[in-house]
Amino acid sequence: TQLLEQSPQFLSIQEGENLTVYCNSSSVFSSLQWYRQEPGEGPVLLVTVVTGGEVKKLKRLTFQFGDARKDSSLHITAAQPGDTGLYLCAGGLGRGGADGLTFGKGTHLIIQP
Amino acid sequence: SQTIHQWPATLVQPVGSPLSLECTVEGTSNPNLYWYRQAAGRGLQLLFYSVGIGQISSEVPQNLSASRPQDRQFILSSKKLLLSDSGFYLCAWSKGLTYQADTQYFGPGTRLTVL
Repeated sequence: TQLLEQSPQFLSIQEGENLTVYCNSSSVFSSLQWYRQEPGEGPVLLVTVVTGGEVKKLKRLTFQFGDARKDSSLHITAAQPGDTGLYLCAGGLGRGGADGLTFGKGTHLIIQP
Repeated sequence: SQTIHQWPATLVQPVGSPLSLECTVEGTSNPNLYWYRQAAGRGLQLLFYSVGIGQISSEVPQNLSASRPQDRQFILSSKKLLLSDSGFYLCAWSKGLTYQADTQYFGPGTRLTVL
């Protein structure tokens, strides 16, 4: 069974600060997805990374896939209140959906004005 | 562009009653379809997935079943609900090709409360 550990579980910071969220596993994944979810809504896909060492940027968000494809990080620069939400990482095994995605439990992020 | 719909958005049902949740996808054909359940503090759990009409695979034995009567329609059902069936149910789709199937797009979800 593949497990994804996310840290921290909860993070509350002031607007304008930087932060990093981590997603770690002992398993190798063919891809890693990051989602943001707001209360009562479905997760919204932010990015998919598939190559070890890959870095993708989405405005103030920087995503990195570990060289061994076992871990990933999400860095937010100059956080804003609109970044508040539950951030989920999910690992895929590339088996055509047969295993779905393995999800971490998420990081609850609160950005205070 | 592709869109995914779920209904109802919220549902309150008594124990022992039947359940039917519906999910439809627009703007794509032959998608893979998934049902997940999200419980507080436990992440998302895959319940069922389907790679085609009438093809359903169950990941977790339980009180629920799924059906795919049409290419872009996925239904989650139960004959008799249990208290433990309460939760947030999410439908998702992905493209059907192996290397694309890991990128999944989620619907808005259904909040089910069993009393």
